[in-house]
Amino acid sequence: AQSVTQPDIHITVSEGASLELRCNYSYGATPYLFWYVQSPGQGLQLLLKYFSGDTLVQGIKGFEAEFKRSQSSFNLRKPSVHWSDAAEYFCAVYSSASKIIFGSGTRLSIRP
Amino acid sequence: ETGVTQTPRHLVMGMTNKKSLKCEQHLGHNAMYWYKQSAKKPLELMFVYSLEERVENNSVPSRFSPECPNSSHLFLHLHTLQPEDSALYLCASSQGLTSRTGELFFGEGSRLTVL
Repeated sequence: AQSVTQPDIHITVSEGASLELRCNYSYGATPYLFWYVQSPGQGLQLLLKYFSGDTLVQGIKGFEAEFKRSQSSFNLRKPSVHWSDAAEYFCAVYSSASKIIFGSGTRLSIRP
Repeated sequence: ETGVTQTPRHLVMGMTNKKSLKCEQHLGHNAMYWYKQSAKKPLELMFVYSLEERVENNSVPSRFSPECPNSSHLFLHLHTLQPEDSALYLCASSQGLTSRTGELFFGEGSRLTVL
C-alpha cells in the first residue's frame, strides 16, 4: 500500500539558514509526489509536485524538491528561510484517481 | 471571495446535537473532498464527490453524512458525535479528480469540538 513518512515532527532553523525537510514514500510504480504547506489558521496550499521528468522540481515561494528513486525520498529544500516560512509542511503521494495520501507533517519554526 | 470557503470556522457541540459544516468553492471545479485533520495524525480522506456523485467513502462512521447538492457546495452533516471526532475538518476542491493535476485547493477548515 502507498504511504508517506515524514520522520521529523518539528524542526527549528534560524532565519536565513538553509532548510531540508525529509519525506520517504512507499509506492509500487513511479510515484506522483507533492509538497503542501499549511500556515497557521489556513488550509493547505500546493508548493510543488513531481509527476515525471527532471528529478529536481521548482515550486512557489523559493522551494524545491528532489526525487530520488534509489532512496525512495522526495526531500523539500530552501536555501534561505524567511520568518514567513513558519508553517506545517506535508508530503503527499498520489494513490488513486480520487485519493492523495498525506504524511503526518513537519512543523517548521523559525528562530529570529 | 476566496477560492474555497468553509463555515463555520469554529463549532462546539454536544454529543446529542445535530449540526452541519458547509463548504463553497468559487473556482469552477467539479470535484470536492472532505478531510479530517487530527493532531499528530495524517490527514484522513473522508468523502469525495465528482460531478455531484459520491466516488469515495473512506469507511467513515454513519454519524457523518455528506451532501453535495451541486458542484459548488458540499455539506457535512453531523449527529451524535463522539469526543474523538473533535478535529479540524478541511474541505478541498479540484478540477477533475486528483489524477489529472494532483492539485487540491483547500479551505481554511472548520474547527470542531465535541463535548
